[in-house]
Amino acid sequence: GAVVSQHPSWVICKSGTSVKIECRSLDFQATTMFWYRQFPKQSLMLMATSNEGSKATYEQGVEKDKFLINHASLTLSTLTVTSAHPEDSSFYICSAPGTSINEQFFGPGTRLTVL
Amino acid sequence: GQNIDQPTEMTATEGAIVQINCTYQTSGFNGLFWYQQHAGEAPTFLSYNVLDGLEEKGRFSSFLSRSKGYSYLLLKELQMKDSASYLCAVGTGANNLFFGTGTRLTVIP
Repeated sequence: GAVVSQHPSWVICKSGTSVKIECRSLDFQATTMFWYRQFPKQSLMLMATSNEGSKATYEQGVEKDKFLINHASLTLSTLTVTSAHPEDSSFYICSAPGTSINEQFFGPGTRLTVL
Repeated sequence: GQNIDQPTEMTATEGAIVQINCTYQTSGFNGLFWYQQHAGEAPTFLSYNVLDGLEEKGRFSSFLSRSKGYSYLLLKELQMKDSASYLCAVGTGANNLFFGTGTRLTVIP
């Protein structure tokens, strides 16, 4: 099946700094990618839909100025957590849909810890 | 809005059968998905139902009733490696997924 990668796999940063997470579709093109956040022992929460060449669509309650999404090419979407705080510490996962309606390829996730 | 409910935790014995239920109320419906997720890893796809009825795939089966907004995942011949979280998710018209709260299954000897 198709592969989605994320980089970095984990990151530790100081409070107030910004962190960029990359999501790449390695062997297919993705005009749409999705960003999820998962707190410990909780399920995945959809944060936003990343659209190639246009603005991302954010879910209710997600601050678009804090979580900047850029989908500059058909294989890369980036999520930047600006001015990170300890409450932003979480597991961030991206996914990209395949050609079939039931296909959704998940990246391995990025563990963010903000000190 | 979207509302998807699952039991938070379940425990079952190795070799047994366990059924994990999921009820949903969503504004769109493109199918019901089940994923398995081990701690610290991405979800892996288990099953997809878009029509009513039972889909069987080896030890795992999934059932859907659209009129009742209800699905279940059935795991047979449980193995220790089946200890994981099981996520019910609904696909919407935008091709994205809304996940339920997830069910942490613990398989005991």
